[in-house]
This record gives sequence, C-alpha cells and structure tokens, in this order.
Amino acid sequence: ETGVTQTPRHLVMGMTNKKSLKCEQHLGHNAMYWYKQSAKKPLELMFVYNFKEQTENNSVPSRFSPECPNSSHLFLHLHTLQPEDSALYLCASSPAAKEQFFGPGTRLTVL
Amino acid sequence: QKEVEQDPGPLSVPEGAIVSLNCTYSNSAFQYFMWYRQYSRKGPELLMYTYSSGNKEDGRFTAQVDKSSKYISLFIRDSQPSDSATYLCAMSGGSEKLVFGKGTKLTVNP
Repeated sequence: ETGVTQTPRHLVMGMTNKKSLKCEQHLGHNAMYWYKQSAKKPLELMFVYNFKEQTENNSVPSRFSPECPNSSHLFLHLHTLQPEDSALYLCASSPAAKEQFFGPGTRLTVL
Repeated sequence: QKEVEQDPGPLSVPEGAIVSLNCTYSNSAFQYFMWYRQYSRKGPELLMYTYSSGNKEDGRFTAQVDKSSKYISLFIRDSQPSDSATYLCAMSGGSEKLVFGKGTKLTVNP
C-alpha cells in the first residue's frame, strides 16, 4: 500500500450520468494529481493541486471537474462523459514536487 | 521529437536473465529520474529515484542516468517471474510535472 487510496475501484456509467471519483492520501504530502491512463499511451497529467490550489490544468475538457477541499482529499467530478473517456484514472501525491506516489486507480467505463 | 521515448516492447526473457530497460529524453532541464513498476490493473509503484547523473542500486535493481547522452536505464539482475510488469520511466526538472514514457511491458518466463 502506498498510502494513497482511491474509490471506487471500478465504475461503469452512461453518458448522461454524473459521478465522482475520490482520492485520499495519508502521507502528509502537499501536492496531489489526477492522471488518465489509456492503453498504449503515456500517462496523461490532468490536474495538479498544491496546498489545495490548482496549479495545472492540462487542457482537460470541462466535463471533468476537480475539487480539492483540503490537502488530503481530491475529487474528480464527471458529467456527460464520452466513450473515449473510458480509461484508468490515477491519483498521485507528492511531498515536494519530485517523486509521486500513486493510488490503485479507478477503472472507468463509459457506455 | 517526443520529450521522453521508451520502447513499449513487449520484452520476454527467461527467469534469471539480466534485463535492461531504457529511456531517452530531449529536455536537458530534467534532473530527477524515476522508474515505476505497474502490475496489471494496479497503480504505478515507485521503484527507483535518482537525481542527476550516476548509478543507484537497490537489491537486484540498478538505475543509471547519463545526462550527457540524455539516456537512462534500469537493470534487473536475476529476473524473476514476479518482475513481470510494465516499467515506466518518468522525469522532471524539479517542477510538479512529471513526464512519463509509454512503458515497457516485461514478461519473465519460468
């Protein structure tokens, strides 16, 4: 266990649904990240939060909406997703903008 | 040119073999280099972390960084079937943003 937990581990949703992914880190880190991992592609950085402030939005469509209420919790709110958004969504945390520690991911399928 | 290039493989070796995994990069500002191991349907796990050039050893794993050639390597000695996974290189210049390779899928056959 890396100290980063994600729920749910699996999610199937229709294109009109609204759902949220949750990430929690128990490591005392100040930075948290959302990544998208699709088959045969490098990890794609989506969002970065540092001390609860968003410091990076990597041109992510507005149907993905992050929320960071405190430095231990990170959410990704999903609405009106497309089938091509099906992927593994990974959360990570970092102590000082160097090595990152990942959670187990949420496997998302959009029907 | 992509910032980080990594041969996706797949790479298949017999148990006990020495495995060499590599990445090249184009950004000379990168100073922090990492290797992650990712088992199927799991999140990436940090395996090795090095700063600047040089070697770092941890058990059967050795990470090498050659900044002059913009080339990093991970060596696995006495490979085991449990080493079968996808290995991702990652690097940064010290900012929050890590740049990842595509990953190399390794299978170690008993």
